[in-house]
Amino acid sequence: AQSVTQPDIHITVSEGASLELRCNYSYGATPYLFWYVQSPGQGLQLLLKYFSGDTLVQGIKGFEAEFKRSQSSFNLRKPSVHWSDAAEYFCAVGFGDYKLSFGAGTTVTVRA
Amino acid sequence: DAGVTQSPTHLIKTRGQHVTLRCSPISGHKSVSWYQQVLGQGPQFIFQYYEKEERGRGNFPDRFSARQFPNYSSELNVNALLLGDSALYLCASSLGTDNQPQHFGDGTRLSIL
Repeated sequence: AQSVTQPDIHITVSEGASLELRCNYSYGATPYLFWYVQSPGQGLQLLLKYFSGDTLVQGIKGFEAEFKRSQSSFNLRKPSVHWSDAAEYFCAVGFGDYKLSFGAGTTVTVRA
Repeated sequence: DAGVTQSPTHLIKTRGQHVTLRCSPISGHKSVSWYQQVLGQGPQFIFQYYEKEERGRGNFPDRFSARQFPNYSSELNVNALLLGDSALYLCASSLGTDNQPQHFGDGTRLSIL
């Protein structure tokens, strides 16, 4: 069965420090890969997506993600975190017919 | 440009009642999907509609149904509400063609008493 794993439930990072959020998936072929961010009481905003091609993907708000086929991973990174990056982050996997499967999410807290 | 809009934003119902949630996709988008997000979890896929036809269905009971209208807006209906149906219901739209991501609305918060 397809699955998406986000191993870290909660991450605390200092403002200005780097951030990396982990995502692993289990599927027989390479799916489409996404990262979404959700602020409290709001819907999901698309940060970036990977369909094919270059394995390093640039997104909005200074985020990037790297697809590693050998590790079935799609980790999200940001070099310098801002207080406004505090939110919940979801990794999602789609299979062409766009039925997204989401991980359980990682909550990011930014301390001053 | 307007994003995906959902109504109502909040709703309180009691067990056994019926509820209808509404979604208007981004202009030009022909595909609408519905997701259920229980507190503390990631969204779970319920339905996807494309060009008014059901394109996919998640592992939800028959109490859940949906439809898409000629203007591509959509309704999600839930009958015989249970306490466990309390959740944020998210609607997402996309162009429906390959390599196009889904864009989400802010959701409807449904509370069952």
